[in-house]
Amino acid sequence: RKEVEQDPGPFNVPEGATVAFNCTYSNSASQSFFWYRQDCRKEPKLLMSVYSSGNEDGRFTAQLNRASQYISLLIRDSKLSDSATYLCVVMPSGSARQLTFGSGTQLTVLP
Amino acid sequence: NAGVTQTPKFRILKIGQSMTLQCAQDMNHNYMYWYRQDPGMGLKLIYYSVGAGITDKGEVPNGYNVSRSTTEDFPLRLELAAPSQTSVYFCASSWTETDQPQHFGDGTRLSIL
Repeated sequence: RKEVEQDPGPFNVPEGATVAFNCTYSNSASQSFFWYRQDCRKEPKLLMSVYSSGNEDGRFTAQLNRASQYISLLIRDSKLSDSATYLCVVMPSGSARQLTFGSGTQLTVLP
Repeated sequence: NAGVTQTPKFRILKIGQSMTLQCAQDMNHNYMYWYRQDPGMGLKLIYYSVGAGITDKGEVPNGYNVSRSTTEDFPLRLELAAPSQTSVYFCASSWTETDQPQHFGDGTRLSIL
C-alpha cells in the first residue's frame, strides 16, 4: 500500500461546480497534513494546511479524519484558474525529512 | 528577493556523463532539500541539509551527491547519469524542519539519453 494515495483523476468539471478530492494515508502516527497545488510544469505551492477541526480558506475547505486516515479538499464555485494538480502531503513525524507527497489529482475546470 | 533559484532549467545528458544542478536561496533558510518528481508521481526526497556543512540522505539518494558549503547554496551532483535519473528536480528550502510552506525553485528538467 502506498503511504499516501490519491485518485489521479482527471476530474473535469464545469465552472461553478463543486468538486472534492480525497487522500488516504497509511501511517497512523502522521502529525501534519497539507494540500499543495502544482500547475503544469511548475513547482508545487502550498494551498493550505489541514487541521483536525477542519479549516476553510475562501472557496477551499480541508477536512481531516484521523480515525479513517483520510484527508479531503473541497473546492466550491470552481474557477478556470483552479485547473491544476492537487498534491496531498503528509508529514509523519513532524519532520520535513519524512514529508510524503501523493502523486496528485488532476483538475480541469471547463468553461 | 529571488527566493530559491535553480539552474539550469533544462538539460539533456548522455548516459555516463556528469553534471551539477545548482540551487541557491537568499532567504537565509537553514533547511534545504532536493526532490525528484517522475511523471505522474509525487515528489521524492533525494537529500536534505539542516545547515552549512551538514547533509543527509533522503528516500532516493543513490546516484547523487550533495554538498552544503554555505547557507545559500546546495548543489546536487550526478556522477554517472543513467536513464532512470530522467526526471524533474526541485530544490526547496525552509526556516525550520517543520516549516510549511517549503519554498520551491522552478525545477530542472533533466533527460538522460
